[in-house]
Amino acid sequence: GQQLNQSPQSMFIQEGEDVSMNCTSSSIFNTWLWYKQDPGEGPVLLIALYKAGELTSNGRLTAQFGITRKDSFLNISASIPSDVGIYFCAGSFTGNQFYFGTGTSLTVIP
Amino acid sequence: KAGVTQTPRYLIKTRGQQVTLSCSPISGHRSVSWYQQTPGQGLQFLFEYFSETQRNKGNFPGRFSGRQFSNSRSEMNVSTLELGDSALYLCASSQGANGELFFGEGSRLTVL
Repeated sequence: GQQLNQSPQSMFIQEGEDVSMNCTSSSIFNTWLWYKQDPGEGPVLLIALYKAGELTSNGRLTAQFGITRKDSFLNISASIPSDVGIYFCAGSFTGNQFYFGTGTSLTVIP
Repeated sequence: KAGVTQTPRYLIKTRGQQVTLSCSPISGHRSVSWYQQTPGQGLQFLFEYFSETQRNKGNFPGRFSGRQFSNSRSEMNVSTLELGDSALYLCASSQGANGELFFGEGSRLTVL
């Protein structure tokens, strides 16, 4: 099935630094979701986006629905150790079937 | 409000056997989706059910099947297991209106 291009694949950052990651698709989507997954657990929903150009925040996290509807971005400000994990984007045209990105592994160095 | 519950959490099977995984969605959610997660392929969509009807199906062989009951609980079945079926199987529920998926902790299947 289709898989979204997510970059970077991994990041190693110092605590306190900001983080940016993005996701691109060859198809347009009507919904973008961002998830965080810890080892041995299911993905946890962070932010949902429904409109092109939409900018939504959840605490230190901010995500944007790209104007072309083919991309989305996630920023984490002032990273802390508990931000460690794998971040996934997911996009859907129908809302019933989502395509997931390849994941960004984030390591925060105290 | 209880989250999505998946059982069993871990299971080991041998090639050729079959397996049934269960998912209880968040109360009030009528849509249940199943995804397979592997290191090589990432998260891949299996199928989605709404009000006991399969609305979408991913690109998986017919050995993978599912169903949804009237109380929105869902099961997926994999028959004639292959080594490559080893994966984390994730269930997600949604109200169906806005598409937000809420995942369970998954069922980790190992095929020997």
